[in-house]
Amino acid sequence: EPEVTQTPSHQVTQMGQEVILRCVPISNHLYFYWYRQILGQKVEFLVSFYNNEISEKSEIFDDQFSVERPDGSNFTLKIRSTKLEDSAMYFCASSDDRLRDEQFFGPGTRLTVL
Amino acid sequence: DAKTTQPTSMDCAEGRAANLPCNHSTISGNEYVYWYRQIHSQGPQYIIHGLKNNETNEMASLIITEDRKSSTLILPHATLRDTAVYYCIVRGGNDYKLSFGAGTTVTVRA
Repeated sequence: EPEVTQTPSHQVTQMGQEVILRCVPISNHLYFYWYRQILGQKVEFLVSFYNNEISEKSEIFDDQFSVERPDGSNFTLKIRSTKLEDSAMYFCASSDDRLRDEQFFGPGTRLTVL
Repeated sequence: DAKTTQPTSMDCAEGRAANLPCNHSTISGNEYVYWYRQIHSQGPQYIIHGLKNNETNEMASLIITEDRKSSTLILPHATLRDTAVYYCIVRGGNDYKLSFGAGTTVTVRA
C-alpha cells in the first residue's frame, strides 16, 4: 500500500538555526499539506500546496516558514530561524483530490528546538 | 476552527461495537463529514467520510442524520488496537485544510 514518508524522524536543533523537514508524498497525488502538533495539543494546519503554489495557509505559517517541491517527488518545509515554540511533531499529508479524497498522513518528524 | 462537538472520552469493551457521536449543527450543504483517528503520536489516519448518505467501509460505518446536524461513527467490533483519539471534522467549500478539534479519546478495554 502506498504511503507518505518523512525524514528525519527526529530532528534536534539550536534556536535560530534553519531546519528543513522532508516528505515524499504518494506518487500520483496532487495536493500536499503540512500540519503540526505541539505536545499535548491538537493537530494544527500549516499550509496546503497545489500546482506548485501555496493554496491555503494558516496564521501560524508566517515568513519564517516556506514550502517547496524541488523535484517530482519531494515536498519540504523550511523553518528559517527556529524558535523554542516551534518544537512539535510535524506531519506531511497528501491527497489525490482536494475534497472528495482522504488525506494520507506521514509518520511525522519530531522537531526539538533547544 | 473546529465546527464539531464530540465527547471528551469514552470507554468500550473489546469485541463490542463502539458508537462515537458528533454534533455539527452548523454544517452547510456542500460540507462533508470526515472521521480520522490518531493512535498515540502517529500521523492521523483516515477512517471514513460522507456527505449525506450513510457510508460503510472495511474499518467503520458512518451514520449521518437526515438533517445532517449530527453523525455517528460505528466501529463494529472494537479491538485493543482501536484505542486512539477519534476526530470528527467538517470540511467543504473552499477548504483545503482539515481542522482538527480535541476529538474523543476512545479506550478499548479487554
